[in-house]
Amino acid sequence: QSVLTQPPSASGTPGQRVTISCSGSSSNIGSNTVNWYQQLPGTAPKLLIYSNNQRPSGVPDRFSGSKSGTSASLAISGLQSEDEADYYCAAWDDSLIKGVFGGGTKLTVL
Amino acid sequence: QVQLQESGPGLVKPSETLSLTCAVSGYSISSGYYWGWIRQPPGKGLEWIGSIYHSGSTYYNPSLKSRVTISVDTSKNQFSLKLSSVTAADTAVYYCAREVGGIGSSWRYDYWGQGTLVTVSS
Repeated sequence: QSVLTQPPSASGTPGQRVTISCSGSSSNIGSNTVNWYQQLPGTAPKLLIYSNNQRPSGVPDRFSGSKSGTSASLAISGLQSEDEADYYCAAWDDSLIKGVFGGGTKLTVL
Repeated sequence: QVQLQESGPGLVKPSETLSLTCAVSGYSISSGYYWGWIRQPPGKGLEWIGSIYHSGSTYYNPSLKSRVTISVDTSKNQFSLKLSSVTAADTAVYYCAREVGGIGSSWRYDYWGQGTLVTVSS
């Protein structure tokens, strides 16, 4: 059971906007910033969003992040077939004294 | 461009010690940043193992702390992971990565290795 809770799956059609949620607690999301990783099939995770809503260089602005209280969300607009991947949220947990990840959400582009 | 490459045995026997090395190119470990290990069991999610600073300061996942040792060799620009007393539950793809921020709010990984599958089996 992951400390951060994500829906196991999400889907959308090309061009649609999709959101993925990440629920935590006061000791992780409530106290620290949230990061999102994209893992394409058979590859290593890639940092997609950091510090709740910042995009690393090279990440399209179709990807955006937000945080409110103890929850966070990743939004993908203008969905493309190459966005089909697993998405993980992550944050530091002050009570557990460790980095924690969500269980991952598998995004399917229909 | 920062690149990381994991290496080590792909098969380890139960009760033995798993040993992996991560070679870093394009950046000198001595220049800063933390360097970490993350693993992913087949078909499952990510688990943080631990991290090390170039000075040798370490911090580990409490659930693995009794079995984990991470060390750094700045002369070779690499860092290593040792996980003792392994069981089948330690079978996973092991990733090394550059960590930004260390403990706390800025904790994240910006560069990752490709990962290496380690299977624990007799």
